[in-house]
Amino acid sequence: NAGVTQTPKFQVLKTGQSMTLQCAQDMNHNSMYWYRQDPGMGLRLIYYSASEGTTDKGEVPNGYNVSRLNKREFSLRLESAAPSQTSVYFCASSEQGPGDQPQHFGDGTRLSIL
Amino acid sequence: SQQGEEDPQALSIQEGENATMNCSYKTSINNLQWYRQNSGRGLVHLILIRSNEREKHSGRLRVTLDTSKKSSSLLITASRAADTASYFCATLNTGGFKTIFGAGTRLFVKA
Repeated sequence: NAGVTQTPKFQVLKTGQSMTLQCAQDMNHNSMYWYRQDPGMGLRLIYYSASEGTTDKGEVPNGYNVSRLNKREFSLRLESAAPSQTSVYFCASSEQGPGDQPQHFGDGTRLSIL
Repeated sequence: SQQGEEDPQALSIQEGENATMNCSYKTSINNLQWYRQNSGRGLVHLILIRSNEREKHSGRLRVTLDTSKKSSSLLITASRAADTASYFCATLNTGGFKTIFGAGTRLFVKA
């Protein structure tokens, strides 16, 4: 089982460039999440999608947009990348959520903004 | 803002020893979860304990929850080198919609 798949695994951007991080899950989960992980900060929620067709802001949404393309896919877009967005980005999904549901994570996208 | 704070930040032990990690949080919670993260990988769910539970076991893992002290502990018994990882607690606040993760404890188990 693939679980949660993130692409790309690594990316280097220049300040001001845009890009979209892709995430897909094959577990038929309703809820999906985007987090960023910075040293010493734990994971911080950027956006989440409780179900297909809905998205909501998390703790740190500024500078990002998301699209829940269908039940399987949830993408994260940086419109104009800034060095402060250098981080490791994780996508996760849960059956319902967040509630009593464990979240299943992808292996992350390591993004550097120069 | 972070809800859960793990203690210690880092822990180094010998294989076969027990490892204990603690998590403190600030507000009332519905549940608390523990996750493991191996280097370069995503988080893996270990165990969930609800606010009306005091202790839970899963294999070599034992989790306790003390809601009066707003704290939880994760005990790994008879640790192995493969347990080397970062461990995170995560809380879902009462009435909340978002799971909030702590900064994690880095565990190193020496063979």
